[in-house]
Amino acid sequence: DQQVKQNSPSLSVQEGRISILNCDYTNSMFDYFLWYKKYPAEGPTFLISISSIKDKNEDGRFTVFLNKSAKHLSLHIVPSQPGDSAVYFCAASRGGADGLTFGKGTHLIIQP
Amino acid sequence: DADVTQTPRNRITKTGKRIMLECSQTKGHDRMYWYRQDPGLGLRLIYYSFDVKDINKGEISDGYSVSRQAQAKFSLSLESAIPNQTALYFCATSDSWVNYGYTFGSGTRLTVV
Repeated sequence: DQQVKQNSPSLSVQEGRISILNCDYTNSMFDYFLWYKKYPAEGPTFLISISSIKDKNEDGRFTVFLNKSAKHLSLHIVPSQPGDSAVYFCAASRGGADGLTFGKGTHLIIQP
Repeated sequence: DADVTQTPRNRITKTGKRIMLECSQTKGHDRMYWYRQDPGLGLRLIYYSFDVKDINKGEISDGYSVSRQAQAKFSLSLESAIPNQTALYFCATSDSWVNYGYTFGSGTRLTVV
């Protein structure tokens, strides 16, 4: 059973617009959530995270929103830039007790 | 030099062969992980280690074994490779006290024929 779900395999957004990537989770024991970005032929790189005690965390153009009651988080990228084209993975942790659980990823394509 | 180095970067092996993938890190992190990535399936945890004497199975450990030779080294072995182990393998490290952000290596692309 998939505990972290990214239901959109791909997303196409125009340069300069907002990109919104969504993630749902089923395990209520998750208390920390992260987003990773991956370019081809490279390992994933950490982008931004949020603790379950918060509902928003912002870092430059990237903002993560967490809705605990809905078990939903989203990553907003504003404005979207060509270098943002990559695969984005949502991940969740249970108090650091074991490894991260990842979603299947969303391929974001920024069009000029 | 990269913080997390995986060797080899690419490998083609035959069914039934034993193969070892190696990972070394200069981050000084206690925790190390092995993940595999398959198209459309994201990253799945194979094994993880919180220190040299601690080894734990992940979601998909069958057919794999690991060795934590030192704080900086964590190797993954396929005892008898099979074609459905063809995948992209990633090693990662994390600092147990600061945050949960992992540092990943660049990956090993393994093909079993």
